[in-house]
Amino acid sequence: AQTVTQSQPEMSVQEAETVTLSCTYDTSESDYYLFWYKQPPSRQMILVIRQEAYKQQNATENRFSVNFQKAAKSFSLKISDSQLGDAAMYFCAYRSAASGGGADGLTFGKGTHLIIQP
Amino acid sequence: KAGVTQTPRYLIKTRGQQVTLSCSPISGHRSVSWYQQTPGQGLQFLFEYFSETQRNKGNFPGRFSGRQFSNSRSEMNVSTLELGDSALYLCASSLDRGGGTEAFFGQGTRLTVV
Repeated sequence: AQTVTQSQPEMSVQEAETVTLSCTYDTSESDYYLFWYKQPPSRQMILVIRQEAYKQQNATENRFSVNFQKAAKSFSLKISDSQLGDAAMYFCAYRSAASGGGADGLTFGKGTHLIIQP
Repeated sequence: KAGVTQTPRYLIKTRGQQVTLSCSPISGHRSVSWYQQTPGQGLQFLFEYFSETQRNKGNFPGRFSGRQFSNSRSEMNVSTLELGDSALYLCASSLDRGGGTEAFFGQGTRLTVV
């Protein structure tokens, strides 16, 4: 079974600065998807960015970008120009690319609580 | 278009009782998954339904069950509630079952067992 590890329970950054959230994962599969989800106090999980393992190019979505290192099984999230609205729990997640998305749904890390200092 | 709707938002139950939670997916979405979120265990996959059939199940006891209706709405049931079942239960809907398909989450049902 795959596992996802987020080693930073909490991170703090000044507004307008850049912050990087770490994520490592373990899997024996060669094809899979990785995600970063944001969970604000409203509790609703929102997809921030998605990476397909077979694509070497790192995904970007506006101020959010990832550093995907497949050999190292590392998938970090960089948030540029941090804004107060970015404050939330951030979860790294894995899903198999096998038929039907594999048997385990999304596998999540424990999350990183991101604090934005005004 | 309307998002994923979970009802009720909050629930308090007593040990030994049973509970049913409901999830209405985004219109047109056929896949519904359920997750349990607790401070200790984090987010854990419960099960996935597609076209009214349970496709996958996580490592949870048989007290946890669910179903999906022909309109894709889903319910999950927990019988003989235990204190440890207190959690936020999240439902996610997807267009299909592909691994890369975006999952849209509801705001969850906060279950407290006393």
